[in-house]
Amino acid sequence: DGGITQSPKYLFRKEGQNVTLSCEQNLNHDAMYWYRQDPGQGLRLIYYSQIVNDFQKGDIAEGYSVSREKKESFPLTVTSAQKNPTAFYLCASSASDSPYEQYFGPGTRLTVT
Amino acid sequence: AQSVTQLGSHVSVSEGALVLLRCNYSSSVPPYLFWYVQYPNQGLQLLLKYTSAATLVKGINGFEAEFKKSETSFHLTKPSAHMSDAAEYFCAVNKAAGNKLTFGGGTRVLVKP
Repeated sequence: DGGITQSPKYLFRKEGQNVTLSCEQNLNHDAMYWYRQDPGQGLRLIYYSQIVNDFQKGDIAEGYSVSREKKESFPLTVTSAQKNPTAFYLCASSASDSPYEQYFGPGTRLTVT
Repeated sequence: AQSVTQLGSHVSVSEGALVLLRCNYSSSVPPYLFWYVQYPNQGLQLLLKYTSAATLVKGINGFEAEFKKSETSFHLTKPSAHMSDAAEYFCAVNKAAGNKLTFGGGTRVLVKP
């Protein structure tokens, strides 16, 4: 079955540590996205990538970094510079012929204490 | 700039009653509109989409939405609520530049027996 996988489902880190969230898709989609979800605030775009080896900042990129070395993978690193990293993180992808129709992974809940 | 407003962060309906979730948008370009559903601790699942074809769009799980340009609305309805409809619902519109979406703040639906 085609889809998007995110691992792990739950992640716990100490303040000051960098942490990398995994996102893999086998839908052969060109574009991938990372969102942050906080209660009552909907989804906010962190980074997105439309092709391999290229990515752009979204609305809240500060304190985050990404890479896109393979079409299937778009990992997100939450750095120690992110002031409020505890959140639910969602990865999505879309096909080039339906660029706005995004498919989402199951999410990773990150808790930093 | 594109924006989405979902009226009511929480909606409570009785099982068997009409579900109506309101979404108003603003867009400087022809809009593509989407409704997504999210169950607790899961990713978003596409319910339906408007892409400039028929103004009445039917989606999964018995939901439908009507695009009304004059009212800049894309309200989501279901004639008869089921307990399994309890979830959070997000409306989204395409951004003017790039293959990106702007999401509303979400409406959480509670279904009472």
